[in-house]
Amino acid sequence: DTGVSQNPRHKITKRGQNVTFRCDPISEHNRLYWYRQTLGQGPEFLTYFQNEAQLEKSRLLSDRFSAERPKGSFSTLEIQRTEQGDSAMYLCASSLSGVTGELFFGEGSRLTVL
Amino acid sequence: DQQVKQNSPSLSVQEGRISILNCDYTNSMFDYFLWYKKYPAEGPTFLISISSIKDKNEDGRFTVFLNKSAKHLSLHIVPSQPGDSAVYFCAASLALTGNQFYFGTGTSLTVIP
Repeated sequence: DTGVSQNPRHKITKRGQNVTFRCDPISEHNRLYWYRQTLGQGPEFLTYFQNEAQLEKSRLLSDRFSAERPKGSFSTLEIQRTEQGDSAMYLCASSLSGVTGELFFGEGSRLTVL
Repeated sequence: DQQVKQNSPSLSVQEGRISILNCDYTNSMFDYFLWYKKYPAEGPTFLISISSIKDKNEDGRFTVFLNKSAKHLSLHIVPSQPGDSAVYFCAASLALTGNQFYFGTGTSLTVIP
């Protein structure tokens, strides 16, 4: 399967703990996005990479959130000192720059903060 | 501030009939629009898109209509099939190859056999 892969699929943690999610995009895609989706809402943009450069960050991305894409391939999203309000589905998507069209989404990583 | 709005959280349609899903946006600078379909426990998958230079785009059973003056787009599915039952999100971008997509809150479509 050459789609976007995310893991873990589900993470349950206690408030105050750190969590890290990983995203492996489609191999030839140079753009990678992180979105967050809460119940009853659509995906909300968090951040975007072109190759290894993080080019855009939403104001939703507080200082407790950090994302990296060290070699322009996979990406990690770390949330430090988790809060209950961080409970959500974290979606990763990838695309190819210069090509109009869609984002290819992974299945998401669901975070539950107790 | 929700720049893309889907005011109908749910829609039920008989199999074989037309499904019409609506979406409104507030930012007149949006120039590229997409529809995504999402099944439970899966990520959204791309369905169809339209550029602001067009007012209609068709792909098989799916047609998207864009009314720029009304800042409104709609997705028509005809004929509707039970496998079309899913949550549909519309999304908008500020440029044809834009970096950020703004999503609506989704409409849950149920096609009744």
